Amino acid sequence: EVQLLESGGGLVQPGGSLTLSCAASGFIFSSHEMNWVRQAPGKGLEWVSFISTRGSTKYYADSVKGRFTISRDNGKNSLFLQMNSLRAEDTAVYYCARETDGGLDYWGLGALVTVSS
Amino acid sequence: DIVMTQTPLSLSVTPGQPASISCKSSQSLLHSDRKTYLYWYLQKPGQPPQLLIYEVSRRFSGVPDRFSGSGSGTDFTLKISRVEAEDVGIYYCMQTVQLPPYTFGQGTKLEIK
Repeated sequence: EVQLLESGGGLVQPGGSLTLSCAASGFIFSSHEMNWVRQAPGKGLEWVSFISTRGSTKYYADSVKGRFTISRDNGKNSLFLQMNSLRAEDTAVYYCARETDGGLDYWGLGALVTVSS
Repeated sequence: DIVMTQTPLSLSVTPGQPASISCKSSQSLLHSDRKTYLYWYLQKPGQPPQLLIYEVSRRFSGVPDRFSGSGSGTDFTLKISRVEAEDVGIYYCMQTVQLPPYTFGQGTKLEIK
């Protein structure tokens, strides 16, 4: 069974940093591209970042470019999102999602990040 | 960026009746590999999104056959042949033909009358 479990969310002050992790199981992690998608309270879905299978290709939404860094550890079946210079508008539930042939087919339960003083 | 526009933004349906959601993209979602990268998701209350339809019309594993997708180019439709109570939630279309960024529609909230 495919499982994705995010962790590392919490309350952080504006300008602070946080790193999210996503533990994958039930599939060959190194064979899939991975993404982060977020959802602000009461809002729709916003794609955040993409990473290729070996981590050589990374893409970011303009809203987080230069502040967020996606990475992965295929040996540990884990995906990460390092978030720096956090702003109030980064407050959201962050989902990690597996990509298969262009579609995000499995999603984790999400991790809530709250940026507030 | 490719803009995805869904209509309606909300609909209220009597159980057993059909429902239809439209999704229009600002650019064609047909890739040079001849695949069309249009996906439909349902986010039930308090849950993460779940994939319903991939590549316009292919039902994902375990998705009931009352869900169907159609369309081409820039115009797409999700249809539910007979709405059930468990279908409530927010439906999103998404394109992955162009990266970055992947983009979603605004979402369509389905409620039961």
